[in-house]
Amino acid sequence: AQSVSQHNHHVILSEAASLELGCNYSYGGTVNLFWYVQYPGQHLQLLLKYFSGDPLVKGIKGFEAEFIKSKFSFNLRKPSVQWSDTAEYFCAVTSNTGKLIFGQGTTLQVKP
Amino acid sequence: DAGVIQSPRHEVTEMGQEVTLRCKPISGHDYLFWYRQTMMRGLELLIYFNNNVPIDDSGMPEDRFSAKMPNASFSTLKIQPSEPRDSAVYFCASSRDVFSGANVLTFGAGSRLTVL
Repeated sequence: AQSVSQHNHHVILSEAASLELGCNYSYGGTVNLFWYVQYPGQHLQLLLKYFSGDPLVKGIKGFEAEFIKSKFSFNLRKPSVQWSDTAEYFCAVTSNTGKLIFGQGTTLQVKP
Repeated sequence: DAGVIQSPRHEVTEMGQEVTLRCKPISGHDYLFWYRQTMMRGLELLIYFNNNVPIDDSGMPEDRFSAKMPNASFSTLKIQPSEPRDSAVYFCASSRDVFSGANVLTFGAGSRLTVL
């Protein structure tokens, strides 16, 4: 069965610090990978996605993620966070059945 | 496009009452998903439909939960009878296709349910 594991549950950073959020998935077949963000009081929005091609994917707001197939990982990165990045971040994976499974989420708090 | 529309946005009910949550997906989207979000469990997939047909309902917690999609523009999630542990935010999402690179799930604003 598919599963997604996010290692960090709560991350606190100061503005301008670099960010890396870990995500590992469990599924042996072809997968599509996503990062979604949920700002306080809002619904989920797509940050970036990987379907094929270049394993380094760039998304909105300066975020990027790297798909490493051998490690079953899809870590999210941002070189310099801003206070407005305070939100909850979800990694998700979908297999060829179309079922989209989310990780537990990581709450990012950026201190001004 | 108005996006995925969910109603009600907030519902407070008493234990034992029936709760019906509604969702209108984006026109032309063939897939519809129901998720539940809680602090303890994060985002759980409850059920999803393709062309109005339930594909996977393995995430539905128990028989008290049921979901229907009578047509391409409407879906309901019903809880009967409701219990306090059902308190959560329920999200509906839709997508055109789950296999193509252009596909993205679009989420509704969610229905916050509180069962007293």
